[in-house]
Amino acid sequence: SQQGEEDPQALSIQEGENATMNCSYKTSINNLQWYRQNSGRGLVHLILIRSNEREKHSGRLRVTLDTSKKSSSLLITASRAADTASYFCATDARTDKLIFGTGTRLQVFP
Amino acid sequence: DTAVSQTPKYLVTQMGNDKSIKCEQNLGHDTMYWYKQDSKKFLKIMFSYNNKELIINETVPNRFSPKSPDKAHLNLHINSLELGDSAVYFCASSLRVQETQYFGPGTRLLVL
Repeated sequence: SQQGEEDPQALSIQEGENATMNCSYKTSINNLQWYRQNSGRGLVHLILIRSNEREKHSGRLRVTLDTSKKSSSLLITASRAADTASYFCATDARTDKLIFGTGTRLQVFP
Repeated sequence: DTAVSQTPKYLVTQMGNDKSIKCEQNLGHDTMYWYKQDSKKFLKIMFSYNNKELIINETVPNRFSPKSPDKAHLNLHINSLELGDSAVYFCASSLRVQETQYFGPGTRLLVL
């Protein structure tokens, strides 16, 4: 079964608004990663957060990790139309492989 | 100067045919992967190689056979293609296992 599930499955917002996506996973991890996939393209890495970290920032992105709840969130502030994409969390489940979640489709309207 | 490249980008073929997809990375990474993304965008790992050695082999039909001639290349050969093999196949690489992965642009396979 899948390790990660994103919530919501789809999100539509206006430019300038913030977008929050959540990821829940099932087993212990070493790290959790967030990726973005534009339509018809490959995945692009956004942020890696390790199990001993609680929060990480990168530009307009903020990721939190709560290992006690086995959950993570990705916040995109001041969204832009170019942020329109699918966003995936991925966990390692303390193995050599990444297990990807189901993804959140974000639509940002100009 | 593409980091991870795949060929072909599109592949349309008949059921029963044999086809190959090639992947090359110029990042100097030790680990390479093949993923399958289905029509619902669910991404699942198929294989992983570390320094040319197979380290991950998920429950994949043995019609799929990866080959890594060197650390920079990981090819995927598929025998006796079936309709259900239609998907987008992504190659990826990372410096080490569990680290950030860099994805290729994908190969869109359509089996008729």
